[in-house]
Amino acid sequence: QKEVEQDPGPLSVPEGAIVSLNCTYSNSAFQYFMWYRQYSRKGPELLMYTYSSGNKEDGRFTAQVDKSSKYISLFIRDSQPSDSATYLCAIRQSNDYKLSFGAGTTVTVRA
Amino acid sequence: GAVVSQHPSRVICKSGTSVKIECRSLDFQATTMFWYRQFPKKSLMLMATSNEGSKATYEQGVEKDKFLINHASLTLSTLTVTSAHPEDSSFYICSARDTLNTEAFFGQGTRLTVV
Repeated sequence: QKEVEQDPGPLSVPEGAIVSLNCTYSNSAFQYFMWYRQYSRKGPELLMYTYSSGNKEDGRFTAQVDKSSKYISLFIRDSQPSDSATYLCAIRQSNDYKLSFGAGTTVTVRA
Repeated sequence: GAVVSQHPSRVICKSGTSVKIECRSLDFQATTMFWYRQFPKKSLMLMATSNEGSKATYEQGVEKDKFLINHASLTLSTLTVTSAHPEDSSFYICSARDTLNTEAFFGQGTRLTVV
C-alpha cells in the first residue's frame, strides 16, 4: 500500500469552475500536509501547507485536512487557465522533513 | 518564498560518462537538501537526504556509488550521476530547507537524457 494515494486524473474543467483535488494517506504518524503545483518540466512550487485538521484559505485556494479520516483536499475557486498544472499532495511526519508525495493530479482549465 | 537554483536545466550525455547537477540556495543557508527523481507522469521519489558537512543518507534501493551527493557548503549541494546509462534518463529535482523555513523549497529540476 502506498503511503499517499492520489487520483492522477486527468481533470478538465471550464474556466470559473471549482477544482476539487484530494489525497488519502495510511499512516496516522503523518502530521504535516502540503500541496504543490508543478508546471510541465518545472520543479514543484509550494502552494499551501497545514498542520492541523480543518480548513486553511489563501486567496482562491482552500486546503482541508481531516485527520480522523486521513483525507486531505485542495479546492481552487474561480479556476483560471493559468491554474492548468499538475497538483501534488505531500505529507511528512513532525520530526522528519522527508516528504511522501501523491502521484499528482493533472488539471486542465479550459478557457 | 526562498529561491533554490538548479543547474543545468537540461543535459544530454553519452552512456558511460558522468554528469554533475548543482543545487544552490540563493538567499538562505540550506542545512538540509533533498534529491528527488521523477519519471514522466509519475510522482517524485526521494533519492537521498544530505545535511551540510555530513554524508548523505540514501533511500532504500538507491545506489550510493552511482549517485554521488556532496553537500560541502550551506548553499551548495551536487548530485553526480556516474557512468550514466539510458535508464538513468529522468527528471532530477533538488529541494532545500534551513532551520527557519518549516518546509523545503524546490529547484527547477534537471532533465537528464543519456544516449
